[in-house]
Amino acid sequence: GAGVSQSPSNKVTEKGKDVELRCDPISGHTALYWYRQSLGQGLEFLIYFQGNSAPDKSGLPSDRFSAERTGGSVSTLTIQRTQQEDSAVYLCASSWTRGLQETQYFGPGTRLLVL
Amino acid sequence: AQTVTQSQPEMSVQEAETVTLSCTYDTSESDYYLFWYKQPPSRQMILVIRQEAYKQQNATENRFSVNFQKAAKSFSLKISDSQLGDAAMYFCAYTLYNNNDMRFGAGTRLTVKP
Repeated sequence: GAGVSQSPSNKVTEKGKDVELRCDPISGHTALYWYRQSLGQGLEFLIYFQGNSAPDKSGLPSDRFSAERTGGSVSTLTIQRTQQEDSAVYLCASSWTRGLQETQYFGPGTRLLVL
Repeated sequence: AQTVTQSQPEMSVQEAETVTLSCTYDTSESDYYLFWYKQPPSRQMILVIRQEAYKQQNATENRFSVNFQKAAKSFSLKISDSQLGDAAMYFCAYTLYNNNDMRFGAGTRLTVKP
């Protein structure tokens, strides 16, 4: 079946502009995660959604970052007033639940470059 | 806070040889999961192997195996009979038993020489 998809695959923007990154999880997966992978760094957890529960936003680096998940499926990560340090690959992952043994399936990521 | 450390930014192995990638982690918890993910140039993260902390037996998946030393908080990945397709970034990751918020290491770039 189809895996996790993300769009756009690449995004170049100017400092100060807002950007929206989209994630389509695997159908039926109730858990969705956003991660950031900066150059030379490991993956950094940003935010997590589980069904209709309030999202876990503990990883968001600043209030410029926000995310929504509509209808328990598609998610959008929004970065307002982008800064150069926001340049990174943003990865989305989904799993059946937030359960103990659930494997996360990752999308291909969106490479964001802030000029 | 839980941290994951991969001390080898880059590793190289000859095709058909064996290579071991190191990972250590820091936690005060006793119940958790450990993972190795592979990230080829396509950027898609692929689960290689998973280890439950409560299991003493090391996980094995075909040519991939781990050496899990819970007391030492060490979780190394051994790749046997290395193949050109194994070339990728490898990330070690940790998650607590009661949630799925992963913490990743910085990654090790593996090169396989023909």
